[in-house]
Amino acid sequence: AQTVTQSQPEMSVQEAETVTLSCTYDTSENNYYLFWYKQPPSRQMILVIRQEAYKQQNATENRFSVNFQKAAKSFSLKISDSQLGDTAMYFCAFTPGNTDKLIFGTGTRLQVFP
Amino acid sequence: NAGVTQTPKFQVLKTGQSMTLQCAQDMNHEYMSWYRQDPGMGLRLIHYSVGAGITDQGEVPNGYNVSRSTTEDFPLRLLSAAPSQTSVYFCASSYSTSGGERLFGPGTRLTVL
Repeated sequence: AQTVTQSQPEMSVQEAETVTLSCTYDTSENNYYLFWYKQPPSRQMILVIRQEAYKQQNATENRFSVNFQKAAKSFSLKISDSQLGDTAMYFCAFTPGNTDKLIFGTGTRLQVFP
Repeated sequence: NAGVTQTPKFQVLKTGQSMTLQCAQDMNHEYMSWYRQDPGMGLRLIHYSVGAGITDQGEVPNGYNVSRSTTEDFPLRLLSAAPSQTSVYFCASSYSTSGGERLFGPGTRLTVL
């Protein structure tokens, strides 16, 4: 079965510090895409970062970066210089192979404290 | 562009009632999908469509119907609402399948009594 596991239901970090959210996935496909989505209290789903499995280089978007370990099937998200506006649920997701199905993990609730 | 719009934002139904959740996008995206979000379970795919006239089932399709007569619209029908369908429903669209970014609507909170 194709699954995504986020083992940290809740995390907290102080403003300006760095935090890493964990994600592992299970697939037998060699080509797939990985995503991190953010859901603030407004409920809107917002794409944070996207990674193509065939690219070795880790994706980066401003303060957000990933550590993609294909052999370990791991896709962690690092948030640097955390800001109060980063407080949200974070979902890891992937689309295996050539399917049209985006599979989500159960999410990590991140609280940023001043 | 208005992006992805969903109506209504909130809805309360009684068990056995039927209703349609509306979803529309104005970006000419071929790919559209419906998810439900329940506490502690993330988002689960209900149905999806890769173009007008083409739909397929996701992880949790039972109790829901969809159709795609135009590129812009992708309504989700609840045939006979049950309390287990109490959830937040999200519609999403994408310019491509697989690796394309899904753009999400604002969601519909549905309560079935």
